Amino acid sequence: DQQVKQNSPSLSVQEGRISILNCDYTNSMFDYFLWYKKYPAEGPTFLISISSIKDKNEDGRFTVFLNKSAKHLSLHIVPSQPGDSAVYFCAASAWDRGNEKLTFGTGTRLTIIP
Amino acid sequence: DVKVTQSSRYLVKRTGEKVFLECVQDMDHENMFWYRQDPGLGLRLIYFSYDVKMKEKGDIPEGYSVSREKKERFSLILESASTNQTSMYLCASSLSLGRGNQPQHFGDGTRLSIL
Repeated sequence: DQQVKQNSPSLSVQEGRISILNCDYTNSMFDYFLWYKKYPAEGPTFLISISSIKDKNEDGRFTVFLNKSAKHLSLHIVPSQPGDSAVYFCAASAWDRGNEKLTFGTGTRLTIIP
Repeated sequence: DVKVTQSSRYLVKRTGEKVFLECVQDMDHENMFWYRQDPGLGLRLIYFSYDVKMKEKGDIPEGYSVSREKKERFSLILESASTNQTSMYLCASSLSLGRGNQPQHFGDGTRLSIL
């Protein structure tokens, strides 16, 4: 049972345009959400996060939006650059038996076309 | 900057061998985690630890064990390697600030092949 879903395995966007990556979740106990970026042969790198008490968090070219009623979050990258080509993982955090655990989505491969 | 170091980038072992994957972090983080990454499945949590000598099962612990004798080091052990354990293994660490919502920091991974 996939509690965090990224339904688009891949996405191609022209350089300079906006990239929008989507993520849906089913567990209403999740209260903190993160996006990670992963290049081949490297570990995931933390990109941006959002608490469930907010609906938007912005960091430079990256903005994460959270719609709690729809259990949906999205990552916007604008303008997109060639270096943004990577796999993006959405993750959600919940308090589980006294411990904090992350549940990851399956990832979306973003390709920026020059 | 947080540095999480995994001892091997690539490892090839044989079925039935006992395999050790080592992970060290240099930021005095309380929490450490082991994941495996497989195509189409994302990252799945194998084991985690919130303190020295403490361990908790993640979502897919079968066939694995862990050891945390020192705060900075977290080892993943494949007791008797099998071909379905061929995967990319990722170690991560994070601070523990109560319910502080701290991001996890990852190593570069160990690509393990079991023949």
